[in-house]
Amino acid sequence: DVKVTQSSRYLVKRTGEKVFLECVQDMDHENMFWYRQDPGLGLRLIYFSYDVKMKEKGDIPEGYSVSREKKERFSLILESASTNQTSMYLCASGGRDFGSSYNSPLHFGNGTRLTVT
Amino acid sequence: AQTVTQSQPEMSVQEAETVTLSCTYDTSENNYYLFWYKQPPSRQMILVIRQEAYKQQNATENRFSVNFQKAAKSFSLKISDSQLGDTAMYFCAFMKHWGGGADGLTFGKGTHLIIQP
Repeated sequence: DVKVTQSSRYLVKRTGEKVFLECVQDMDHENMFWYRQDPGLGLRLIYFSYDVKMKEKGDIPEGYSVSREKKERFSLILESASTNQTSMYLCASGGRDFGSSYNSPLHFGNGTRLTVT
Repeated sequence: AQTVTQSQPEMSVQEAETVTLSCTYDTSENNYYLFWYKQPPSRQMILVIRQEAYKQQNATENRFSVNFQKAAKSFSLKISDSQLGDTAMYFCAFMKHWGGGADGLTFGKGTHLIIQP
């Protein structure tokens, strides 16, 4: 069974702190994603990566950066946390062509609920 | 850019009834994938069903089926014989046909489905 593990389920940080959210997948997937989930807004893509050391901006990258030094790990970094970054963060991973019904789909972690005070 | 619209923020039905969740999308792409994901209170995102746009036949998975109308850009989810365990947020999602790099999924804002005993 595919596992996408997010290091923290709940996190409380102070404004201005540097925050690292870690995500690890165990299926050798090429593609990894970070989403932010807010009530009434659904899930919005922050960043994604389709290979080691590769990264692409999603729809809302401002205030975030990412790191992918190893294939299995994709980190989301809040350089200087702000209260408007209080949210649920979901990591996901998928192999090549994960949209096709012939392949394993996109898999999600259980989310990290981050509160910035 | 693609957009996904779920016009029903919340729905409530009695156990054993059939319920249909609506989803429309906007895209200029011809090849793409569509998904329905379920998110119960545990926060785990679970793939319910997926559809490749090039396939005319509607996808089905046990009690779950879709009505895919490509010309109308509509992708509704039908749940038959609804069960208490179907209570969850349901997200409709779109993805361009993957061709060398993945862009991730574009999600709707979600429909909160409540199954009443």
